[in-house]
Amino acid sequence: SQQGEEDPQALSIQEGENATMNCSYKTSINNLQWYRQNSGRGLVHLILIRSNEREKHSGRLRVTLDTSKKSSSLLITASRAADTASYFCATDAKDYGQNFVFGPGTRLSVLP
Amino acid sequence: EAGVVQSPRYKIIEKKQPVAFWCNPISGHNTLYWYLQNLGQGPELLIRYENEEAVDDSQLPKDRFSAERLKGVDSTLKIQPAELGDSAVYLCASSLRDRKPNYGYTFGSGTRLTVV
Repeated sequence: SQQGEEDPQALSIQEGENATMNCSYKTSINNLQWYRQNSGRGLVHLILIRSNEREKHSGRLRVTLDTSKKSSSLLITASRAADTASYFCATDAKDYGQNFVFGPGTRLSVLP
Repeated sequence: EAGVVQSPRYKIIEKKQPVAFWCNPISGHNTLYWYLQNLGQGPELLIRYENEEAVDDSQLPKDRFSAERLKGVDSTLKIQPAELGDSAVYLCASSLRDRKPNYGYTFGSGTRLTVV
Protein backbone atom coordinates (compact mmCIF):
# COMPACT_ATOMS: atom_id res chain seq x y z
CA SER A 1 0.00 0.00 0.00
CA GLN A 2 1.13 3.53 -0.64
CA GLN A 3 2.64 5.55 2.15
CA GLY A 4 0.90 8.81 1.27
CA GLU A 5 -2.61 9.64 0.21
CA GLU A 6 -3.66 13.05 -1.09
CA ASP A 7 -7.04 14.57 -0.49
CA PRO A 8 -9.12 15.60 -2.35
CA GLN A 9 -8.59 13.50 -5.46
CA ALA A 10 -9.71 16.42 -7.59
CA LEU A 11 -10.22 20.11 -6.90
CA SER A 12 -11.69 22.81 -9.10
CA ILE A 13 -11.44 26.49 -8.16
CA GLN A 14 -11.64 29.93 -9.73
CA GLU A 15 -8.56 31.93 -10.55
CA GLY A 16 -7.54 34.08 -7.58
CA GLU A 17 -8.87 31.67 -4.99
CA ASN A 18 -6.68 29.65 -2.65
CA ALA A 19 -6.22 25.92 -3.15
CA THR A 20 -5.55 23.55 -0.29
CA MET A 21 -4.50 19.95 -0.72
CA ASN A 22 -3.84 17.48 2.05
CA CYS A 23 -1.58 14.48 2.38
CA SER A 24 -1.86 11.78 5.01
CA TYR A 25 0.71 9.09 5.59
CA LYS A 26 0.95 5.97 7.68
CA THR A 27 4.39 5.56 9.23
CA SER A 28 6.95 7.92 10.71
CA ILE A 29 8.85 9.88 8.12
CA ASN A 30 12.13 11.72 7.77
CA ASN A 31 11.05 14.15 5.06
CA LEU A 32 7.99 15.02 2.99
CA GLN A 33 8.03 16.56 -0.46
CA TRP A 34 5.45 18.09 -2.73
CA TYR A 35 5.65 17.83 -6.52
CA ARG A 36 3.65 19.27 -9.41
CA GLN A 37 3.01 17.47 -12.69
CA ASN A 38 1.59 19.18 -15.73
CA SER A 39 -0.25 16.96 -18.17
CA GLY A 40 2.13 14.80 -20.17
CA ARG A 41 5.21 16.05 -18.35
CA GLY A 42 7.54 14.89 -15.62
CA LEU A 43 7.21 15.88 -12.00
CA VAL A 44 8.64 19.15 -10.74
CA HIS A 45 9.87 19.43 -7.18
CA LEU A 46 8.12 22.20 -5.25
CA ILE A 47 9.21 21.99 -1.65
CA LEU A 48 10.72 19.64 0.94
CA ILE A 49 9.83 19.79 4.62
CA ARG A 50 11.70 17.86 7.26
CA SER A 51 10.06 15.98 10.09
CA ASN A 52 11.29 18.56 12.63
CA GLU A 53 9.79 21.46 10.68
CA ARG A 54 6.20 22.61 10.94
CA GLU A 55 5.85 25.11 8.12
CA LYS A 56 7.69 26.23 5.01
CA HIS A 57 7.01 28.87 2.42
CA SER A 58 8.08 29.25 -1.18
CA GLY A 59 6.51 32.08 -3.13
CA ARG A 60 2.77 31.45 -3.22
CA LEU A 61 3.20 28.02 -1.69
CA ARG A 62 2.81 27.22 1.98
CA VAL A 63 3.40 23.73 3.31
CA THR A 64 2.58 22.57 6.82
CA LEU A 65 3.48 19.33 8.51
CA ASP A 66 1.81 17.82 11.55
CA THR A 67 3.71 14.70 12.52
CA SER A 68 1.32 13.94 15.38
CA LYS A 69 -1.50 13.61 12.85
CA LYS A 70 0.76 12.20 10.15
CA SER A 71 -0.47 14.79 7.70
CA SER A 72 0.70 17.67 5.55
CA SER A 73 -1.04 20.37 3.60
CA LEU A 74 -0.09 22.37 0.55
CA LEU A 75 -1.67 25.78 0.16
CA ILE A 76 -1.44 27.68 -3.11
CA THR A 77 -2.51 31.27 -2.63
CA ALA A 78 -3.98 33.51 -5.33
CA SER A 79 -4.16 30.63 -7.80
CA ARG A 80 -3.59 31.11 -11.50
CA ALA A 81 -4.70 29.11 -14.52
CA ALA A 82 -1.07 27.99 -14.88
CA ASP A 83 -1.33 26.22 -11.52
CA THR A 84 -3.61 23.65 -13.16
CA ALA A 85 -1.77 20.37 -12.66
CA SER A 86 -1.61 17.26 -10.51
CA TYR A 87 0.07 17.63 -7.14
CA PHE A 88 1.76 14.74 -5.36
CA CYS A 89 3.17 14.33 -1.92
CA ALA A 90 6.08 11.97 -1.40
CA THR A 91 7.37 10.65 1.90
CA ASP A 92 10.46 8.77 2.90
CA ALA A 93 10.51 6.39 5.79
CA LYS A 94 12.78 3.71 7.10
CA ASP A 95 10.16 1.10 6.20
CA TYR A 96 10.51 2.04 2.56
CA GLY A 97 14.28 1.79 2.28
CA GLN A 98 14.69 5.57 2.41
CA ASN A 99 13.08 5.92 -0.98
CA PHE A 100 10.42 8.56 -1.47
CA VAL A 101 6.99 6.99 -1.98
CA PHE A 102 4.38 8.98 -3.89
CA GLY A 103 0.68 9.26 -3.28
CA PRO A 104 -1.95 9.10 -6.05
CA GLY A 105 -2.12 12.89 -6.34
CA THR A 106 -4.67 15.69 -6.36
CA ARG A 107 -5.78 16.99 -9.74
CA LEU A 108 -6.20 20.75 -9.47
CA SER A 109 -8.09 22.73 -12.08
CA VAL A 110 -7.94 26.53 -11.88
CA LEU A 111 -10.64 28.09 -14.01
CA PRO A 112 -10.03 31.51 -15.57
CA GLU B 1 22.03 23.11 -17.12
CA ALA B 2 20.28 20.39 -19.05
CA GLY B 3 17.66 18.48 -17.12
CA VAL B 4 17.11 14.75 -17.04
CA VAL B 5 16.84 13.60 -20.63
CA GLN B 6 14.74 10.61 -21.60
CA SER B 7 14.16 8.99 -24.94
CA PRO B 8 12.10 8.09 -26.75
CA ARG B 9 9.24 10.38 -25.77
CA TYR B 10 6.63 7.93 -27.06
CA LYS B 11 6.78 4.26 -28.01
CA ILE B 12 4.11 2.00 -29.44
CA ILE B 13 4.90 -1.69 -29.72
CA GLU B 14 3.06 -4.95 -30.15
CA LYS B 15 2.82 -7.29 -27.19
CA LYS B 16 5.66 -9.78 -26.80
CA GLN B 17 8.08 -7.37 -28.47
CA PRO B 18 11.08 -5.94 -26.59
CA VAL B 19 11.43 -2.27 -25.77
CA ALA B 20 14.15 -0.13 -24.23
CA PHE B 21 14.12 3.30 -22.61
CA TRP B 22 17.11 5.53 -22.13
CA CYS B 23 17.85 8.11 -19.46
CA ASN B 24 20.66 10.63 -19.08
CA PRO B 25 20.60 12.15 -15.58
CA ILE B 26 21.81 15.57 -14.53
CA SER B 27 25.57 15.75 -14.60
CA GLY B 28 27.02 14.86 -11.23
CA HIS B 29 23.87 13.27 -9.84
CA ASN B 30 24.97 9.96 -8.42
CA THR B 31 21.50 8.58 -7.74
CA LEU B 32 19.19 7.53 -10.53
CA TYR B 33 15.64 6.23 -10.28
CA TRP B 34 13.25 4.57 -12.68
CA TYR B 35 9.58 5.00 -11.89
CA LEU B 36 6.44 3.64 -13.51
CA GLN B 37 3.36 5.85 -13.57
CA ASN B 38 -0.05 4.54 -14.52
CA LEU B 39 -2.76 6.92 -15.65
CA GLY B 40 -4.19 8.88 -12.76
CA GLN B 41 -1.72 7.45 -10.27
CA GLY B 42 1.48 8.53 -8.60
CA PRO B 43 4.88 7.22 -9.69
CA GLU B 44 5.96 3.84 -8.34
CA LEU B 45 9.61 3.05 -7.90
CA LEU B 46 11.06 0.29 -10.07
CA ILE B 47 14.75 0.60 -9.30
CA ARG B 48 17.23 2.93 -7.65
CA TYR B 49 20.91 3.21 -8.54
CA GLU B 50 23.68 4.67 -6.44
CA ASN B 51 26.35 5.29 -9.05
CA GLU B 52 26.49 2.03 -11.03
CA GLU B 53 25.07 -0.16 -8.26
CA ALA B 54 21.40 -1.11 -8.15
CA VAL B 55 20.72 -0.66 -4.43
CA ASP B 56 16.96 -1.20 -4.54
CA ASP B 57 15.32 -3.28 -7.25
CA SER B 58 12.76 -4.96 -5.04
CA GLN B 59 9.85 -3.62 -7.13
CA LEU B 60 11.34 -4.49 -10.50
CA PRO B 61 9.56 -7.46 -12.18
CA LYS B 62 12.75 -9.31 -12.92
CA ASP B 63 11.19 -11.93 -15.15
CA ARG B 64 10.72 -9.36 -17.90
CA PHE B 65 12.32 -6.12 -16.77
CA SER B 66 16.02 -5.35 -16.63
CA ALA B 67 18.05 -2.22 -16.14
CA GLU B 68 21.63 -1.16 -16.29
CA ARG B 69 23.67 1.89 -15.49
CA LEU B 70 27.08 1.35 -16.95
CA LYS B 71 29.78 3.74 -15.70
CA GLY B 72 27.28 5.25 -13.28
CA VAL B 73 25.97 7.83 -15.70
CA ASP B 74 23.17 7.11 -18.17
CA SER B 75 20.84 4.19 -17.76
CA THR B 76 18.69 1.88 -19.84
CA LEU B 77 15.48 0.14 -18.79
CA LYS B 78 14.37 -2.82 -20.87
CA ILE B 79 11.21 -4.88 -21.05
CA GLN B 80 11.26 -8.21 -22.81
CA PRO B 81 8.70 -9.37 -23.70
CA ALA B 82 6.24 -6.50 -23.24
CA GLU B 83 2.70 -7.21 -22.06
CA LEU B 84 -0.46 -5.15 -22.47
CA GLY B 85 -0.35 -4.23 -18.80
CA ASP B 86 3.04 -2.58 -19.25
CA SER B 87 1.39 0.38 -20.97
CA ALA B 88 2.31 3.34 -18.77
CA VAL B 89 4.68 6.27 -18.49
CA TYR B 90 8.22 5.39 -17.47
CA LEU B 91 9.90 8.20 -15.62
CA CYS B 92 13.55 8.63 -14.84
CA ALA B 93 14.75 10.87 -12.03
CA SER B 94 18.09 11.76 -10.53
CA SER B 95 19.36 13.37 -7.36
CA LEU B 96 22.43 14.04 -5.30
CA ARG B 97 21.92 11.53 -2.57
CA ASP B 98 23.17 11.91 0.95
CA ARG B 99 21.73 11.18 4.35
CA LYS B 100 20.08 14.59 4.56
CA PRO B 101 18.54 15.50 1.21
CA ASN B 102 18.06 19.22 0.82
CA TYR B 103 16.14 19.11 -2.38
CA GLY B 104 14.07 16.71 -4.32
CA TYR B 105 14.43 14.63 -7.36
CA THR B 106 14.70 16.02 -10.87
CA PHE B 107 12.45 14.13 -13.24
CA GLY B 108 12.63 13.68 -16.96
CA SER B 109 9.55 14.08 -19.14
CA GLY B 110 9.09 10.34 -19.32
CA THR B 111 8.50 7.78 -22.03
CA ARG B 112 4.88 6.94 -22.73
CA LEU B 113 4.69 3.27 -23.67
CA THR B 114 1.66 1.82 -25.40
CA VAL B 115 1.55 -1.94 -25.88
CA VAL B 116 -1.02 -3.09 -28.43
